Formats: sequence, structure tokens, C-alpha cells
Amino acid sequence: ELKVEQNPLFLSMQEGKNYTIYCNYSTTSDRLYWYRQDPGKSLESLFVLLSNGAVKQEGRLMASLDTKARLSTLHITAAVHDLSATYFCAVVSRPRYNQGGKLIFGQGTELSVKP
Amino acid sequence: GAVVSQHPSWVICKSGTSVKIECRSLDFQATTMFWYRQFPKQSLMLMATSNEGSKATYEQGVEKDKFLINHASLTLSTLTVTSAHPEDSSFYICSARNTGNSPLHFGNGTRLTVT
Repeated sequence: ELKVEQNPLFLSMQEGKNYTIYCNYSTTSDRLYWYRQDPGKSLESLFVLLSNGAVKQEGRLMASLDTKARLSTLHITAAVHDLSATYFCAVVSRPRYNQGGKLIFGQGTELSVKP
Repeated sequence: GAVVSQHPSWVICKSGTSVKIECRSLDFQATTMFWYRQFPKQSLMLMATSNEGSKATYEQGVEKDKFLINHASLTLSTLTVTSAHPEDSSFYICSARNTGNSPLHFGNGTRLTVT
């Protein structure tokens, strides 16, 4: 059974600082997603990572994937208050995504960026 | 871009009544839809997977007689919470995709409160 674990679960950052959120998963998968969720809202897609070594960047966020280590990271550069939200990683379970694989979510990381 | 519309956005009902939540794909054919439940400050837990024209597949621990899922057309899936109780109060989110490697799109969620 696929398990997805994020850490930390809570992260209080100062504006301008850098930090990394980690996502470990227990079985092989063919894709990994990062989502952002604001309070009371649904999910906003940030990144989809498909292959080992994949790196994607959007603004102050950068995501990477190491399929051998079953690890993805979401790196935050020079945090700003607008990044305050909960961030989820989600991994596709077997079978593969295009064969009906399901998304299994990590616990989420609640990020608070303070001035 | 592809849009998934979920309705209603919020609903309050009395204990013992039933509530129906609709999930519509507006500009694509949703071969597969997923229903998630999210309790406050927790992650998204997959409840069931539904494929158009087939019976839904429920995750372990989810009562299929209590959470009725219908996916009768390629653009509509419904989740009916039968005989709702206060412990069913939660945020319900649907997601939908076409086939193969099509991306997964999330609805805006439904906040259910059972009094």
C-alpha cells in the first residue's frame, strides 16, 4: 500500500528566508504532484513531476524528484507572505496513472510566512 | 482550461437527511472521477473512484451504502450522503480526468455541515 509522508507538517518562516518541504513515498510511482490549498478552498495545481531528476520552477517555488530515493522536495526561495498556505504532495499509486492509478496525498505542510 | 464544477459549494442539513453533491466536467469528458473527503486541518482522503457507466470502487473503510456514487454520464458524477450525521460534516472534493495521461482537475469543493 502506497504511503506518502511529508515533513515538516508545520512551518513558520520569516519573509526572505529559504526552506524546503520534503515528500517521501513508499512504492514506485510514475508521477508526483504538488498542490497548494488556501483555507476553505480546493486545490491549486503547482507542479507535476514525471521522471527521475525532474526539476520545475515557478516563481519562488522549485520542485524536484528523485525516484530512486522516492523523494520529492519543494524549495521555497525568499519567502513572502503570499506563500502562506498548506502544501500537499500527491503520488500516483499502482497501476500507472494512465491505467487508472489513484492520487494518494501526503499529510500536508502548513506554511506560515511572517514579516 | 478544463473546468470541474462542484455544486453546492456549501450545504447545511439536519441529522438523518440525505444530501446530494454534483460534480460536472464542463469542457471535457470525464471518464474517471474521484471523490475525496477532507476533515479540518487534515489531508485529502480518497473515498471512491468512479468510471462512467460502472459501479464505483470504494476505498477500504468507506461505507458504500452510506456514500452513494453515481457516474451515469461522461460529464456528471454525484455523491449522495445518506442519513447524514454530524460526523459526516467535512469538505468533499471531486476530481475528474479524461483518459490516458490527461491531467486531473479538481472541483472547488463542498462544505457539508450536519446539525
